Amino acid sequence: DAGVTQSPTHLIKTRGQQVTLRCSPKSGHDTVSWYQQALGQGPQFIFQYYEEEERQRGNFPDRFSGHQFPNYSSELNVNALLLGDSALYLCASSPDRGLQETQYFGPGTRLLVL
Amino acid sequence: GEDVEQSLFLSVREGDSSVINCTYTDSSSTYLYWYKQEPGAGLQLLTYIFSNMDMKQDQRLTVLLNKKDKHLSLRIADTQTGDSAIYFCAESIGDYKLSFGAGTTVTVRA
Repeated sequence: DAGVTQSPTHLIKTRGQQVTLRCSPKSGHDTVSWYQQALGQGPQFIFQYYEEEERQRGNFPDRFSGHQFPNYSSELNVNALLLGDSALYLCASSPDRGLQETQYFGPGTRLLVL
Repeated sequence: GEDVEQSLFLSVREGDSSVINCTYTDSSSTYLYWYKQEPGAGLQLLTYIFSNMDMKQDQRLTVLLNKKDKHLSLRIADTQTGDSAIYFCAESIGDYKLSFGAGTTVTVRA
């Protein structure tokens, strides 16, 4: 049983560009959350998707958007990249029973913005 | 508010016990978690505790929760070199979101 998978593993972009990161949840999970982990910090919640809708959002600007597909996989899009967007982007999946079920994290996508 | 605090570094001798401490602010948090992150890797869930519990033990790991003081600790018995990593404390915020501390870097020395 594959766990949470993310692609690509690493990415280099320049300021002003746009990026799309992808996540496939663990089998049986229908909820996907995205987190940003800057160097030396803990992960920060970006948003969560369930039933192809954004259910909850953290304190991130509208440049950060997402999508969930019918097969529960998800994409994170970031427009107009800033140097400060350089971070490890983590995807977490869980079944839809809130945090009664633990979130399982993928290995992350490391984004570098030059 | 959402603010989880942890000490940044811990150095421990191999075979000794490690204790990592954390304080959180949301008294309504239902679950509190400990995650482990090794270099270049994602987060691995180590253990979690429900807020109505005081203690949870899982093999070498012991979690203590003082809800009155909003204090959480993780004790690792017989610490091994493979335990060297960053350990994150996290609290549940509402039903869907985790709030993490900045992480404690644990270094195990021979």
